[in-house]
Amino acid sequence: NAGVTQTPKFRVLKTGQSMTLLCAQDMNHEYMYWYRQDPGMGLRLIHYSVGEGTTAKGEVPDGYNVSRLKKQNFLLGLESAAPSQTSVYFCASRRPPGSYGYTFGSGTRLTVV
Amino acid sequence: DQQVKQNSPSLSVQEGRISILNCDYTNSMFDYFLWYKKYPAEGPTFLISISSIKDKNEDGRFTVFLNKSAKHLSLHIVPSQPGDSAVYFCAASRTSGSRLTFGEGTQLTVNP
Repeated sequence: NAGVTQTPKFRVLKTGQSMTLLCAQDMNHEYMYWYRQDPGMGLRLIHYSVGEGTTAKGEVPDGYNVSRLKKQNFLLGLESAAPSQTSVYFCASRRPPGSYGYTFGSGTRLTVV
Repeated sequence: DQQVKQNSPSLSVQEGRISILNCDYTNSMFDYFLWYKKYPAEGPTFLISISSIKDKNEDGRFTVFLNKSAKHLSLHIVPSQPGDSAVYFCAASRTSGSRLTFGEGTQLTVNP
């Protein structure tokens, strides 16, 4: 049982390049989330999804897009990467309702130069 | 607007002593609170939680206290162990909500 798997684990992008981060969960969880972690700022929510085919904006959605075409996968896209998007990205999932414990992936460290 | 704040970026304690990590929140609609623990190069893992109908919840060496009037919660670790060295995140949610709001995190170092 893998839980939440994020790919890739590391990536270096040049400014203006695009990429997609993949999150896959095998727990049949309805809700999925993308967070970014930056020093002194904790975990900030980028986008989230409450079910297949749905997405919603979080606290810091600008510069990112997401898709949830399949229940088990949640994709985070950067169309034109900027140095400000250098961060560690975490995906998480959970069952609703009344289930508050998130299961997190191990993260993707992205550097934009 | 930081709705969940952890004002201490770091805390250092001796092995065997008590560690106290603090968290404040501003949104009175929050009624469920959690603590997560994060080791380097790993994702956060759930540690302990508390509902607003309680003021204390214990799980082994870990106890979370909630003071609703002060909008403050704390995590006590007794006794502290070197393996407890990690970043601890406080998080809050509304029971009817679909997402957690996290604090900035506190780096705990337990010295042997």
